[in-house]
Amino acid sequence: DIQMTQSPSTLSASVGDRVTITCRASQSISNWLAWYQQKPGKAPKVLIYKASSLQSGVPSRFSGSGSGTEFTLTISSLQSDDFATYYCQYYNSYSWTFGQGTKVEIK
Amino acid sequence: EVQLLESGGGLVQPGMSLRLSCAASGFPFSSYAMTWVRQAPGKGLEWVSGISSSGSSTYYADSVKGRFTISRDNSKNTLYLQVNSLRAEDTAVYYCAKGTATVTKYYFDYWGQGTLVTVSS
Repeated sequence: DIQMTQSPSTLSASVGDRVTITCRASQSISNWLAWYQQKPGKAPKVLIYKASSLQSGVPSRFSGSGSGTEFTLTISSLQSDDFATYYCQYYNSYSWTFGQGTKVEIK
Repeated sequence: EVQLLESGGGLVQPGMSLRLSCAASGFPFSSYAMTWVRQAPGKGLEWVSGISSSGSSTYYADSVKGRFTISRDNSKNTLYLQVNSLRAEDTAVYYCAKGTATVTKYYFDYWGQGTLVTVSS
């Protein structure tokens, strides 16, 4: 089974900071990767799919990159609404694997 | 507007069963794969089970295989998860989510608000 590992687990940042979260796959997954944002008590919301495609309605300060085994989610200028937990997800035809999550906290 | 509304959660004893439901609206339900994802208290997301748009193909995480059964009724726009032989480690919020395709290589673009299942004696 493919494992997804995110780093860091927790990130402290300030409004306006550029933030990068990394996700590594235990083997190549091409670009079958999505990123989700989850706020406390709420359902996750998809931000990025196919590693770098921005989901409709998501602000352009979010971007994704990578392929194979290493991927990044970047928030170009952190806003107060962005403090949340972020998950990467490998998706294919018969199984879906999430990373363990990265919590973005206020510094 | 896409809406997914889960129900059926509650407090149950170990070994007992529940049937979770997810009522869908706002999109052609029979055209999309669906899935269940759970989240234990204070923990991350765990994919549980998926089903193709027609219901002919189903998939399960190893942790629930043989105990959980996913199904759908396209005439009622409803997704189900039958959960049997419940264990304490099944305690979680269970989310249903809509896939972005009928069968293959899909991510989840809409999620319900979740239903809490608590397994405790």
